[in-house]
Amino acid sequence: RKEVEQDPGPFNVPEGATVAFNCTYSNSASQSFFWYRQDCRKEPKLLMSVYSSGNEDGRFTAQLNRASQYISLLIRDSKLSDSATYLCVVMGNTGKLIFGQGTTLQVKP
Amino acid sequence: GAGVSQTPSNKVTEKGKYVELRCDPISGHTALYWYRQSLGQGPEFLIYFQGTGAADDSGLPNDRFFAVRPEGSVSTLKIQRTERGDSAVYLCASSLKAGEAFFGQGTRLTVV
Repeated sequence: RKEVEQDPGPFNVPEGATVAFNCTYSNSASQSFFWYRQDCRKEPKLLMSVYSSGNEDGRFTAQLNRASQYISLLIRDSKLSDSATYLCVVMGNTGKLIFGQGTTLQVKP
Repeated sequence: GAGVSQTPSNKVTEKGKYVELRCDPISGHTALYWYRQSLGQGPEFLIYFQGTGAADDSGLPNDRFFAVRPEGSVSTLKIQRTERGDSAVYLCASSLKAGEAFFGQGTRLTVV
């Protein structure tokens, strides 16, 4: 079993739609969680951290469910520029960052 | 300011040869990570340095792979006796704050 699992998609949605991505992790001792974004043929970039209480940054909302070992990312009012691969990241107890496979989002006009 | 720099950007080598990939992190960043990424996959963890020491090298696939960071800044990933399966984009990232990693543009390694 992979340490971090994501549905690779692709998710094809129209502009203005709300879309949600999920991620599960296997190590219950994991402490820190993040979402990164990777555009085609570019390097990954930090999108947002995920806090236990849930957090929001504009149109993006991240949630953590420790009991179910599950992380989510919600994007409201999707824009064409949101098209990218979204990577779920879990920090291991040594400090290493473990990436999921990524979920591809295509927002269409 | 300068970001993470990786050289070369592309490397083509013959099967069996030795290669070195270089990473210049953001100045002052204590943590440095190496990953490799194949098409359609997420970055696969290789090794993580805190300062000069490898804090976690559990991702190195076998003893052909080795990485150093002798002065706590520049790091070199070394691959001996390259195989076609080593072909991938090798990504380096540096970090000052836990989880906030800044990536370089990667080295695309092709083993022919």
